[in-house]
Amino acid sequence: DTAVSQTPKYLVTQMGNDKSIKCEQNLGHDTMYWYKQDSKKFLKIMFSYNNKELIINETVPNRFSPKSPDKAHLNLHINSLELGDSAVYFCASSQGVRVERYFGAGTRLSVL
Amino acid sequence: GQQVMQIPQYQHVQEGEDFTTYCNSSTTLSNIQWYKQRPGGHPVFLIQLVKSGEVKKQKRLTFQFGEAKKNSSLHITATQTTDVGTYFCAAGGNAGNMLTFGGGTRLMVKP
Repeated sequence: DTAVSQTPKYLVTQMGNDKSIKCEQNLGHDTMYWYKQDSKKFLKIMFSYNNKELIINETVPNRFSPKSPDKAHLNLHINSLELGDSAVYFCASSQGVRVERYFGAGTRLSVL
Repeated sequence: GQQVMQIPQYQHVQEGEDFTTYCNSSTTLSNIQWYKQRPGGHPVFLIQLVKSGEVKKQKRLTFQFGEAKKNSSLHITATQTTDVGTYFCAAGGNAGNMLTFGGGTRLMVKP
């Protein structure tokens, strides 16, 4: 069974649309994350979330919003998509914060 | 915010040659992690270093954490084509839970 699964794997959409990416982890971890990896492979943390605290990277536009229905899920909703949002988005989880992250397979978002 | 510099950005080696990537921070780190991302794949955790001067080995991979806990290195002995990928360091600061990733070193191995 996949530990961290995210859907869809590929997402192609038009500028201005709203889209969501789903993430689920079955590891029983208490913290989940969203990362953005651009074409140059830079991995940037977007959000860190556990059942107590949401930490937002201040550079993330407020068009991006994480939604967590329960501790096993952290979805990413994006409003008014822009060309610059094209990237690979990785969900990850960990048990505690000073330990390794387990990454999902990624969602490749292309905004046309 | 915390910045982590990783060098080199790219490295081409002949199969059998050694490879090293370096990670440097301007601030003292609580820990450092290393990840490998195969082409088209996702980052996979390799190891975590916590103690000053720590050295850990995994087969042909040797990981070091500097005495001042501001730098780290990953050395691969006798590279193989299976080592191809991007290697990232990820630094944990002394406050908060954000792990800051370095820019990665992309390793290409010529058979």
